[in-house]
Amino acid sequence: AQKITQTQPGMFVQEKEAVTLDCTYDTSDPSYGLFWYKQPSSGEMIFLIYQGSYDQQNATEGRYSLNFQKARKSANLVISASQLGDSAMYFCAMREGDDYKLSFGAGTTVTVRA
Amino acid sequence: NAGVTQTPKFRVLKTGQSMTLLCAQDMNHEYMYWYRQDPGMGLRLIHYSVGEGTTAKGEVPDGYNVSRLKKQNFLLGLESAAPSQTSVYFCASSFSLNTEAFFGQGTRLTVV
Repeated sequence: AQKITQTQPGMFVQEKEAVTLDCTYDTSDPSYGLFWYKQPSSGEMIFLIYQGSYDQQNATEGRYSLNFQKARKSANLVISASQLGDSAMYFCAMREGDDYKLSFGAGTTVTVRA
Repeated sequence: NAGVTQTPKFRVLKTGQSMTLLCAQDMNHEYMYWYRQDPGMGLRLIHYSVGEGTTAKGEVPDGYNVSRLKKQNFLLGLESAAPSQTSVYFCASSFSLNTEAFFGQGTRLTVV
């Protein structure tokens, strides 16, 4: 079964607007961590933000915030004030329990328009 | 800071040839991983290691072998390359469960 689902293969957003990237996950373990990575066209994987299952508050890092809805098993990434440099592929990933493996979704391509 | 370094960055192999991809990290991380990335499929875990001398199978281990003889190095081997192994390979390392994985720049492998 797919552990991480990203249903939006591609999105367009206007510069300076906010964009939300969807991520739903599947786990029966009460302890897990959720990660978002950015992959620009140059190919490297850049860590953006982390949310632990026991964290009381939604994670934020600069213009990135995570809308964590535990009951719905969703961890959507919100990018505020989009910039042209935000154009990239974005991956949601999860680590469960004490398992060090990181499972990735298929990714969402974001294109920021001027 | 070097972080995670993969060599080579590009390689073309003929079907049946063998090769080894090298991953080196200088962050003293215990945990290291090899992933492959194919269009529309995200990153899939091939093998991983939770410490020097240990390895374990991931999601798609067939056709690959790994070794972790030194803590800083994690080698991925293809004994007899097949066109289905054409992919971009990423190595990663992490310090703990609650911290991010750091990735190398990737190796683009083409098997013809």
